[in-house]
Amino acid sequence: GAVVSQHPSWVICKSGTSVKIECRSLDFQATTMFWYRQFPKQSLMLMATSNEGSKATYEQGVEKDKFLINHASLTLSTLTVTSAHPEDSSFYICSARDVNTEAFFGQGTRLTVV
Amino acid sequence: KQEVTQIPAALSVPEGENLVLNCSFTDSAIYNLQWFRQDPGKGLTSLLLIQSSQREQTSGRLNASLDKSSGRSTLYIAASQPGDSATYLCAAVKGGATNKLIFGTGTLLAVQP
Repeated sequence: GAVVSQHPSWVICKSGTSVKIECRSLDFQATTMFWYRQFPKQSLMLMATSNEGSKATYEQGVEKDKFLINHASLTLSTLTVTSAHPEDSSFYICSARDVNTEAFFGQGTRLTVV
Repeated sequence: KQEVTQIPAALSVPEGENLVLNCSFTDSAIYNLQWFRQDPGKGLTSLLLIQSSQREQTSGRLNASLDKSSGRSTLYIAASQPGDSATYLCAAVKGGATNKLIFGTGTLLAVQP
């Protein structure tokens, strides 16, 4: 299957700082990318959907000013957690797909805010 | 709103047993259904994808079935091995321009040697 690379795999940051997570499709064009959040022992919750060159569509309850998503190219999307707080600590996973293909997932980023 | 539920939440079996994981979804208007495996602290590995027009898919010891009318899918694992221990997630794919995946609650499987 296609490869989606997510970076970093883990990050620790201080409360109040911002953290950027990158998601890259390595061997296909990702017209759509998805960002998920997963709390311990829970399932994946969709945060937002982004199409290349367009503003992201956020799910209900997700603060768009808190979680900034940029999908400026067909191979890269970024999620920036702004002014991070301990409650933002979680596992973040991206997925990417081209038109009419299944979605492929990155390996996830473990964010810990101290 | 699509809701996806998986039963059981956790399952422990001895090595060699055949087992079935269940997934149910409330909205039968799905584009396809996908089964994933997740190891602790890791991302997702796609196992099987069943198109809405299909009834089952097989890959090695894994067989997934889909019954859209009843809103159910099952993942059958034959001759389980300790290496099968992981969390198994099903996801209903909503059609349309974005094909969003709505994930189930997951089943934590432990295969005892």
